Amino acid sequence: GNSVTQMEGPVTLSEEAFLTINCTYTATGYPSLFWYVQYPGEGLQLLLKATKADDKGSNKGFEATYRKETTSFHLEKGSVQVSDSAVYFCALRFNDYKLSFGAGTTVTVRA
Amino acid sequence: EAGVAQSPRYKIIEKRQSVAFWCNPISGHATLYWYQQILGQGPKLLIQFQNNGVVDDSQLPKDRFSAERLKGVDSTLKIQPAKLEDSAVYLCASSPTSGGLVNEQFFGPGTRLTVL
Repeated sequence: GNSVTQMEGPVTLSEEAFLTINCTYTATGYPSLFWYVQYPGEGLQLLLKATKADDKGSNKGFEATYRKETTSFHLEKGSVQVSDSAVYFCALRFNDYKLSFGAGTTVTVRA
Repeated sequence: EAGVAQSPRYKIIEKRQSVAFWCNPISGHATLYWYQQILGQGPKLLIQFQNNGVVDDSQLPKDRFSAERLKGVDSTLKIQPAKLEDSAVYLCASSPTSGGLVNEQFFGPGTRLTVL
């Protein structure tokens, strides 16, 4: 079946550090790929997405590139802020619109 | 534009009791989803509605869980009777079926259920 595997956390960083969260997927076909973020006390929000191979999604300084050859969609940010502290979820979706999520990675950024 | 509303935000019950959660999607969104998010895991889809019809309920434990969306707007999810393993956050999401944000899912804040 379709599944998503993402880097286990928690991840603790200092402000202005570089962040990478690895995400790989297993799927039959070519799904759309997503990163969602869940800030403390809030609901899930779409952070970025990519719908086909080699697409790069970007938002709020975060980027992720859809790599078909490695079935990956790693999330990166060059300089994190305290406000980036959250739980990040990688997810995939086919045309049935059902999202399949990874387990989530908790990121804490220290001032 | 108001987001997806859910209530209650928190609920504590004892096992074998019943509980119900309510969701009001974004106005005009035809598709509504209920997810279960167990601590340390990603959300798992329980049921998907298109208007008031069920599209996918393959992962809904139908012996104890039920959901309805009678008028194609609000939805309720019920658990009867609850088990310890039902402790989780229950997320509601909705998505439009047309326009620039077609099929993008917007999530509510969730209801955190604790079963003692």
